[in-house]
Amino acid sequence: DAGVTQSPTHLIKTRGQQVTLRCSPISGHKSVSWYQQVLGQGPQFIFQYYEKEERGRGNFPDRFSARQFPNYSSELNVNALLLGDSALYLCASSRVASNQPQHFGDGTRLSIL
Amino acid sequence: TQLLEQSPQFLSIQEGENLTVYCNSSSVFSSLQWYRQEPGEGPVLLVTVVTGGEVKKLKRLTFQFGDARKDSSLHITAAQPGDTGLYLCAGPPSNTGKLIFGQGTTLQVKP
Repeated sequence: DAGVTQSPTHLIKTRGQQVTLRCSPISGHKSVSWYQQVLGQGPQFIFQYYEKEERGRGNFPDRFSARQFPNYSSELNVNALLLGDSALYLCASSRVASNQPQHFGDGTRLSIL
Repeated sequence: TQLLEQSPQFLSIQEGENLTVYCNSSSVFSSLQWYRQEPGEGPVLLVTVVTGGEVKKLKRLTFQFGDARKDSSLHITAAQPGDTGLYLCAGPPSNTGKLIFGQGTTLQVKP
């Protein structure tokens, strides 16, 4: 079975631009979560979606938004990019929304120039 | 706010040595998970500990959950170069699906 897949793997943007990152969960998993991992630190929670509804939001500005589609795939959008948004963006999926082990994709490396 | 503090942040040892990584919090967690992350990849789940005092073994790795469910440790016996990576502890606050991560422990095992 395929694991969590994320695209693109790498992305370079400039300040002020907008970016969309994509995630396909493991087959049968209905929950998708997004994390931001800055170099040298642990991942920080951004959003969780379950059955197309937002179930949790971390301490990130409104420039960050996400959605989940009927096939449970998800997109993370970031507007008005700042240099500090440079990070590895990780997507994780699980069968249900709570207390389940999460399976991570290999992330999208976003660099802001 | 629930936080997880990991120590040490960096560890560089020779092959064959033993080591312990600690994950501490002032808050109670219903469970704690340990992940290993290699460069260019996402974190991979190693183990989940749920019961206070629980000990789980995964080959040369031993994981322990504190009696009060506020802390956990990871002990590696006879470390090998293949153990090199970033070790992360994580836990779900309350009964939510999100995970709070520690800042990670970077382990380098030299041959």
